[in-house]
Amino acid sequence: SQTIHQWPATLVQPVGSPLSLECTVEGTSNPNLYWYRQAAGRGLQLLFYSVGIGQISSEVPQNLSASRPQDRQFILSSKKLLLSDSGFYLCAWSVGRESPLHFGNGTRLTVT
Amino acid sequence: DAKTTQPPSMDCAEGRAANLPCNHSTISGNEYVYWYRQIHSQGPQYIIHGLKNNETNEMASLIITEDRKSSTLILPHATLRDTAVYYCITASKLTFGTGTRLQVTL
Repeated sequence: SQTIHQWPATLVQPVGSPLSLECTVEGTSNPNLYWYRQAAGRGLQLLFYSVGIGQISSEVPQNLSASRPQDRQFILSSKKLLLSDSGFYLCAWSVGRESPLHFGNGTRLTVT
Repeated sequence: DAKTTQPPSMDCAEGRAANLPCNHSTISGNEYVYWYRQIHSQGPQYIIHGLKNNETNEMASLIITEDRKSSTLILPHATLRDTAVYYCITASKLTFGTGTRLQVTL
């Protein structure tokens, strides 16, 4: 069966520090991969999605970037965190255009 | 892209059916409707999806109107563990709004 792993579960980082969040998927090949962010009390905002290795589409221009170095690995990065980067970051995968999203358990990032 | 509209909150007594509405009046002909739920501090969980026909699985039923402009998620016998935020989305841009906060009470 397919599983998705996100780590760390929680993270506290100072303003101006770098960020790297990793997501891996097991049990499927060539998944579509997604990064979402959820601010407190808000809906989910799609940040990036990828349909293949090295293919990244950005939905919202901002302080973050994404990379997909391997088929089932998706990384969210920042060179310098801002206070506004705080939030709940979720990785998700799907297979094919019409299949549902499957989410990881998320990383709660607090920038201080 | 089709936008969805949901009531911000609903209450339901335990054991009763919870009917959660969603309006997607701008949906295009080949767009699916998906429902997810999010329990506090967890990732959203997929519930069900459909295109035109009504769908049922072990978690819920999905009723889609004939004109496809709205749908209703039905939890037939709500339990306290069904308390969550429920999201209705269409596939095109995968945008999640603020959903409906369902509170199941004794």
